[in-house]
Amino acid sequence: DIQMTQSPSSLSASVGDRVTITCRASQGINYSLAWYQQKPGEPPKLLLYAASILESGVPSRFSGSGSGTDYTLTISSLQPEDFATYYCQQYYGTPAATFGQGTKLEIK
Amino acid sequence: EVQLLDSGGGLVQPGGSLRLSCAASGFPFGNYAMSWVRQPPGKGLELVSTISGSGDSTYYADSVKGRFTISRDNSKSALFLQMNNLRAEDTALYYCAKDRPAFSDSWGQGTLVTVSS
Repeated sequence: DIQMTQSPSSLSASVGDRVTITCRASQGINYSLAWYQQKPGEPPKLLLYAASILESGVPSRFSGSGSGTDYTLTISSLQPEDFATYYCQQYYGTPAATFGQGTKLEIK
Repeated sequence: EVQLLDSGGGLVQPGGSLRLSCAASGFPFGNYAMSWVRQPPGKGLELVSTISGSGDSTYYADSVKGRFTISRDNSKSALFLQMNNLRAEDTALYYCAKDRPAFSDSWGQGTLVTVSS
């Protein structure tokens, strides 16, 4: 299976900050990457897919980029509602899609 | 509006069985692959099993292969996960999810499975 390594595992930031989370795959995944946001007590919410396509209804301050094995999620200006845990998921290896271990974004 | 209602979780002893259900509405159920994803308390996400829209193709994570069986009833817009020979490490919140087709765009609220003596 393709392994996904997210970094950092946790991150402290302030409202208005620009934040970047990285996901590295153990092999090339040809943009087959999704990002999810999960708040405590809630299911994950799809943010982006195909590495950079914003899901309908997701604010434009979220963006994704990358290629090959390395991908990033960027939040351009943190809002209070963005403090959550973020997961990447590769689906190049479908049906064996795998998640990163998560990045917890906390308020500084 | 897509709605997924997970149910069937509970406390079960090691070696026991449970059957999870997911009632779907708001989309043409038979047109979409569906998955079960689990999350142990305080930990990350793991894809457990996926089934194609027709039900003729399935996938299982190695950790559950031979113990869990995914199925669906398209006439009732329902997804199931039969879990046998449960282990302590199966303790988790289990989510059903609608796939598009290889990532999940909608999730249920989850049903908690606790395996303990």
